[in-house]
Amino acid sequence: NAGVTQTPKFRILKIGQSMTLQCTQDMNHNYMYWYRQDPGMGLKLIYYSVGAGITDKGEVPNGYNVSRSTTEDFPLRLELAAPSQTSVYFCASSYPGNGYTFGSGTRLTVV
Amino acid sequence: RKEVEQDPGPFNVPEGATVAFNCTYSNSASQSFFWYRQDCRKEPKLLMSVYSSGNEDGRFTAQLNRASQYISLLIRDSKLSDSATYLCVVTQRGSQGNLIFGKGTKLSVKP
Repeated sequence: NAGVTQTPKFRILKIGQSMTLQCTQDMNHNYMYWYRQDPGMGLKLIYYSVGAGITDKGEVPNGYNVSRSTTEDFPLRLELAAPSQTSVYFCASSYPGNGYTFGSGTRLTVV
Repeated sequence: RKEVEQDPGPFNVPEGATVAFNCTYSNSASQSFFWYRQDCRKEPKLLMSVYSSGNEDGRFTAQLNRASQYISLLIRDSKLSDSATYLCVVTQRGSQGNLIFGKGTKLSVKP
């Protein structure tokens, strides 16, 4: 049982480049989330989805896009990467009202 | 006022000590409450849910006071392996299950 799988684990981007962070879960959870965590800070919600075809903005959505074509997958797209997007990105899934299961994270550095 | 506030620590305690973490939340509509544990450079993992009646899981006891909007976590007989950051987490009614994270309290258990 893999849970929540994120790829890649590490990535270095140049300013202005774009990339997609992949997230997939095998628990048939309807709810999925993307968070970022900056050093010494709490997790901040970027985007979330309550089911296939439905996405919504969180607290810090600027510079990101998401899609949810299937229950399993919830990719996060960065367009025109900026140094301020250097962070650790966590994907998570859950049943509503329950605790989350997190992926192991993607460490992104934008230089 | 931040939505979820925690003492950042660090708490440095000897093995076998009892340590208590406190957390306050600002929104009285908060509905579900959790403690997560996050090891260095790892994803957060659910430690325990917190119920109004209080709940215990081995050496860990969680308490909730809705009137004071206060949550606590007590760790008895601390182990070296308890060293981590402990995150206080709440959800709010109608928030699509979105979790709101505190910045965490760092615990270091020394031999």
